[in-house]
Amino acid sequence: DAGVTQSPTHLIKTRGQQVTLRCSPKSGHDTVSWYQQALGQGPQFIFQYYEEEERQRGNFPDRFSGHQFPNYSSELNVNALLLGDSALYLCASSSPDRRMTEAFFGQGTRLTVV
Amino acid sequence: RKEVEQDPGPFNVPEGATVAFNCTYSNSASQSFFWYRQDCRKEPKLLMSVYSSGNEDGRFTAQLNRASQYISLLIRDSKLSDSATYLCVYYNFNKFYFGSGTKLNVKP
Repeated sequence: DAGVTQSPTHLIKTRGQQVTLRCSPKSGHDTVSWYQQALGQGPQFIFQYYEEEERQRGNFPDRFSGHQFPNYSSELNVNALLLGDSALYLCASSSPDRRMTEAFFGQGTRLTVV
Repeated sequence: RKEVEQDPGPFNVPEGATVAFNCTYSNSASQSFFWYRQDCRKEPKLLMSVYSSGNEDGRFTAQLNRASQYISLLIRDSKLSDSATYLCVYYNFNKFYFGSGTKLNVKP
């Protein structure tokens, strides 16, 4: 059973560019959440997708957008990149059983903006 | 005030020591609580869930105090392989809230 997979693993972009990160959830999971983890910090919630809709959003600007596909995979798009967007971007998927939901994380995409 | 507060450490302990981490959370309506472990430059991985009655998994014991809004993690007989950052997490309304983590270094 494949876990959560993310691509690419590493990425270097220039300020002002746009980037798309991808995530395939764990088999059987229908909910995908994206997190940004800056160096020395805990992951910060960006947004969550469920049934192809953005269900919740954290305190991130509109430059951060996403999408979920019918197969539950998801993309995170960031426009007009800033140096401060350099971080580890984590995708987490969770189960339809919400009684004791735990998040399974992908290995992350390390984005460096130069 | 941060949603989850943790002492960043680092906690430097010898092998075999017992070490305890605490964290406090701000939202009294929080539903579920967890400890995650994160190795350097890797993704967080679930260490254990935390229940009000307290729970134990081998050398690890987690406690939740809802009245005081804090969570603890006790590690007994520390191993070199326990060296990592430990993230305190709560879940509420479809979102996970992470602390900044407590770094543990176990020395030979």
